[in-house]
Amino acid sequence: GAGVSQSPSNKVTEKGKDVELRCDPISGHTALYWYRQRLGQGLEFLIYFQGNSAPDKSGLPSDRFSAERTGESVSTLTIQRTQQEDSAVYLCASSLRRTSGFSTDTQYFGPGTRLTVL
Amino acid sequence: AQRVTQPEKLLSVFKGAPVELKCNYSYSGSPELFWYVQYSRQRLQLLLRHISRESIKGFTADLNKGETSFHLKKPFAQEEDSAMYYCALSAVKNAGNMLTFGGGTRLMVKP
Repeated sequence: GAGVSQSPSNKVTEKGKDVELRCDPISGHTALYWYRQRLGQGLEFLIYFQGNSAPDKSGLPSDRFSAERTGESVSTLTIQRTQQEDSAVYLCASSLRRTSGFSTDTQYFGPGTRLTVL
Repeated sequence: AQRVTQPEKLLSVFKGAPVELKCNYSYSGSPELFWYVQYSRQRLQLLLRHISRESIKGFTADLNKGETSFHLKKPFAQEEDSAMYYCALSAVKNAGNMLTFGGGTRLMVKP
């Protein structure tokens, strides 16, 4: 079946411009995560959506970052007034559900969007 | 706050040699530990998780709570094992179950 998809695969932008990244989760997955991976580093959590609950934005590095998700479908991550330090691969992951107190559902990752801010 | 440390950025071994990729974590509660792998030009995918106690592609990992470690091991490395390996932790009581990742170890298996 179709996995998590992300678009665009690559994005080059100029400092100060806004960018929008898109994630299509696996159908039926209620949980959606955004992560950022800077060159040579591990993944950093950015934001989490679970169904229609309020998102967990605790990982967003600044108020220039925002994300939306409509129901259990597509999510967009928006970065306003991009800076060079925003250059990274932005990864989206989805999982079937959140289980509290028991095991964590497997997160399935998309191919990522490589953002380069000049 | 939780933290995951992978002390080796690069591990190079010969085919058939044993492999151990180190992972240490810090977390005050009861964590779930995972190993994710990213092969060249492929997306990040789950390799194994400690609660499953499985051997995947010949790899095993045991959670050692006393040493707060979750090292990944394979007795005989194969060339196709060459990839980036990430250790990750999920705080089970965390409402979001988001993953905290280590910095990754690149495994190169030479012929």
